[in-house]
Amino acid sequence: QVQLQESGPGLVKPSETLSLTCTVSGGSVRSYYWNWIRQSPGKGLEWIGYTYYSGNTKYNPSLKSRLNISLDTSKNQLLLKVTSVSAADTAVYYCARILMGTGDYYSYYMDIWGKGTAVTVSS
Amino acid sequence: EIQMTQSPSSLSASIGDRVTITCRASQSIHSYLNWYQQKPGNAPKLLIYGAAHLQSGVPSRFSGSGSGTDFTLTISSLQPEDFATYYCQQSFNNWTFGQGTKVEIK
Repeated sequence: QVQLQESGPGLVKPSETLSLTCTVSGGSVRSYYWNWIRQSPGKGLEWIGYTYYSGNTKYNPSLKSRLNISLDTSKNQLLLKVTSVSAADTAVYYCARILMGTGDYYSYYMDIWGKGTAVTVSS
Repeated sequence: EIQMTQSPSSLSASIGDRVTITCRASQSIHSYLNWYQQKPGNAPKLLIYGAAHLQSGVPSRFSGSGSGTDFTLTISSLQPEDFATYYCQQSFNNWTFGQGTKVEIK
């Protein structure tokens, strides 16, 4: 059973770069597409971007200029970097596995999520 | 960007009630529609994918329907563990979520 665990610094200063890691256990990062999702305090869910080991990566257009999502296959990890952070980037960050439905239920969906890691941007 | 609009934003219901949540997309998303349940302090949990397919392990009182722009999540008989916030999400063009529907105890 695939399990995901996010980790990160907890507190980041404005204008700095946020770096988060999602460690995958019970499966290989090479085998699936992976998403990053975030949720600001008391707010809804926001898609950040996804990646696949082939290098196929797509970002939320509203965040694209500040994002980098990659895989470290040697450590079986998914990585997220967000540059020039501000208070608006304060959120719980989740990684999630993407699967694809077939036939009448064709959709891309997230079936396994990590527990999330909270990030606060503050000086 | 495809906008997802859920209604209502919140509702109060009693144990055993039938509950219906609606999600509307700003353009056709075919069946690229998923539903998640989130409880406070927890990650979202997948309930329905492809508009109508029940995820393995999810109770059969949950069901989804719709295609194109209009979708519905129904809980046939509300149970105590169903009080939570529910989100729809599209993956037809990038990924976007509805604003959520909070189901509270009446």
